[in-house]
Amino acid sequence: AQSVSQHNHHVILSEAASLELGCNYSYGGTVNLFWYVQYPGQHLQLLLKYFSGDPLVKGIKGFEAEFIKSKFSFNLRKPSVQWSDTAEYFCAVNAGSNFGNEKLTFGTGTRLTIIP
Amino acid sequence: DGGITQSPKYLFRKEGQNVTLSCEQNLNHDAMYWYRQDPGQGLRLIYYSQIVNDFQKGDIAEGYSVSREKKESFPLTVTSAQKNPTAFYLCASSTRDIAYEQYFGPGTRLTVT
Repeated sequence: AQSVSQHNHHVILSEAASLELGCNYSYGGTVNLFWYVQYPGQHLQLLLKYFSGDPLVKGIKGFEAEFIKSKFSFNLRKPSVQWSDTAEYFCAVNAGSNFGNEKLTFGTGTRLTIIP
Repeated sequence: DGGITQSPKYLFRKEGQNVTLSCEQNLNHDAMYWYRQDPGQGLRLIYYSQIVNDFQKGDIAEGYSVSREKKESFPLTVTSAQKNPTAFYLCASSTRDIAYEQYFGPGTRLTVT
């Protein structure tokens, strides 16, 4: 079974600072990787996803993530954060094969607070 | 507009009562899911269904039950056997292609006293 670790529980940054949120997963096979964001009072929504191909994926609102297979990591980055990026961020993984990929496993989330 | 609706947004119940949370989707997705979100614990899978009239237990199914009589609907019943029912409940759906990318509803916050 897969598992996901997000070691940063709460990150506080000033506007314009650079952001990197860590995500490590544990699974022996190929994976699909996701970052979801939950803005205050809003639906959980997809930021970006990796299925195959270029390991550097770009998502909405200037976010990007890099899949490093050797490190089992899929860290989320943004070069310059804004106050509106204040939210909770979840990394998730499912098996990248036809069997078992119906179950998405989430990390515990990272709360990001941006100070104006 | 296509999407997932969950009702009600807030729900209050007395201990010992069963309560059913609604989830409806008009995305024509085959698969539907129920998660529970607690502070510091992320999302944990309760039940999921890949096709009508079939569903599987997730990681924390005890004290919950579901049905899937229609493709659009996947109600969750929180029974009196669930020891800590107060939580935020999220419903999701996905197609059954290779990636199973999930789309989420707005959630229902259940408080049991």
